[in-house]
Amino acid sequence: DARVTQTPRHKVTEMGQEVTMRCQPILGHNTVFWYRQTMMQGLELLAYFRNRAPLDDSGMPKDRFSAEMPDATLATLKIQPSEPRDSAVYFCASGLVPNEQFFGPGTRLTVL
Amino acid sequence: GENVEQHPSTLSVQEGDSAVIKCTYSDSASNYFPWYKQELGKRPQLIIDIRSNVGEKKDQRIAVTLNKTAKHFSLHITETQPEDSAVYFCAARRLNTNAGKSTFGDGTTLTVKP
Repeated sequence: DARVTQTPRHKVTEMGQEVTMRCQPILGHNTVFWYRQTMMQGLELLAYFRNRAPLDDSGMPKDRFSAEMPDATLATLKIQPSEPRDSAVYFCASGLVPNEQFFGPGTRLTVL
Repeated sequence: GENVEQHPSTLSVQEGDSAVIKCTYSDSASNYFPWYKQELGKRPQLIIDIRSNVGEKKDQRIAVTLNKTAKHFSLHITETQPEDSAVYFCAARRLNTNAGKSTFGDGTTLTVKP
């Protein structure tokens, strides 16, 4: 049963530190999505890739966030410097267009 | 772009009753409407979906209806059980395009009281 995996599952860091979250999409999927989930904002799309190329990152604060896909098996989301308001659960999802996307277990980030 | 509105934001029902969650969308070109269930502390999981070429789809106690003219779709859960308690998200997207991203509703927290 193929699943999207994410690491770390939990991260606690101090304000100003760099945070890197990793995602391994399901093998063969050609789209990868990064979402942020908070109680106040629900599910927000931060960025997404198709065939490793970024298609839309308009939901992402560009000054501190960056998303990349160094290869087809790895997607990264980086925050530098982190701030307390970045505390949230970050989900990665992958899919094979035109089918639906599948979510990873999420990374729960706490920035103190 | 697409805008999806979901109602109600919270819903509480007695075990055995039915629950209905409604969503409206703005992009008439959207043709795929998935529903996700997210249990506390877990990932959203697809539970049912519908494409615009059908008006209704059922899977055991869960059904989804779509009204393309009015641009709304609904999730129906019958004979609710406590394990149905979760947050439910609707979404809308265009299939078969280069875009491929879904727009999500804000979620409905369903509580089923035993």
